[in-house]
Amino acid sequence: AQSVTQLGSHVSVSEGALVLLRCNYSSSVPPYLFWYVQYPNQGLQLLLKYTSAATLVKGINGFEAEFKKSETSFHLTKPSAHMSDAAEYFCAVRPTGGGNKLTFGTGTQLKVEL
Amino acid sequence: DTAVSQTPKYLVTQMGNDKSIKCEQNLGHDTMYWYKQDSKKFLKIMFSYNNKELIINETVPNRFSPKSPDKAHLNLHINSLELGDSAVYFCASSPGGRPNTEAFFGQGTRLTVV
Repeated sequence: AQSVTQLGSHVSVSEGALVLLRCNYSSSVPPYLFWYVQYPNQGLQLLLKYTSAATLVKGINGFEAEFKKSETSFHLTKPSAHMSDAAEYFCAVRPTGGGNKLTFGTGTQLKVEL
Repeated sequence: DTAVSQTPKYLVTQMGNDKSIKCEQNLGHDTMYWYKQDSKKFLKIMFSYNNKELIINETVPNRFSPKSPDKAHLNLHINSLELGDSAVYFCASSPGGRPNTEAFFGQGTRLTVV
């Protein structure tokens, strides 16, 4: 079964610093990949998705992610962190061969400090 | 005009009780899901329906019974509630047969069993 691994359950950055949240997938065939954000006591909101159209994907709130097949990675970045970015971030995978199952990573909590 | 709405938002109940959570989506999607998020924020799929037909049934105790009266609704009934059922339950929906599309999530139902 396809899965994603998120390295680092907690990441702390200073306001204005680069945000890098890591996600690696396990699949011999590149899957569809998604990044979601969850603010406290809220549901999940899509940040961006990779659907094989372009390897560099731009999302909402200044986030972007680059799909690297050679590294089986889809890391999420933002050039300059803002206090409002503090949240839980989830990477998710869905197989390209069909099927509706969306499988999530274990999440990374981002803390932004002054 | 909330896309995916769940009721109730909070549910506190005693062990042994039976409770239901309701979910409705107005996006015209064919596929709906139930996810469970535990205290460590881990998201695990429980069930998925496509056009009222059960297509994903993960290893979930049979005390949990989903019901889809039509493709816009997916309810979750839980019998004989246990302490370990305490979690946040998320309903989601996505277009059927299009794995490159994201799932849209409701705001969650926080279930506390005492």
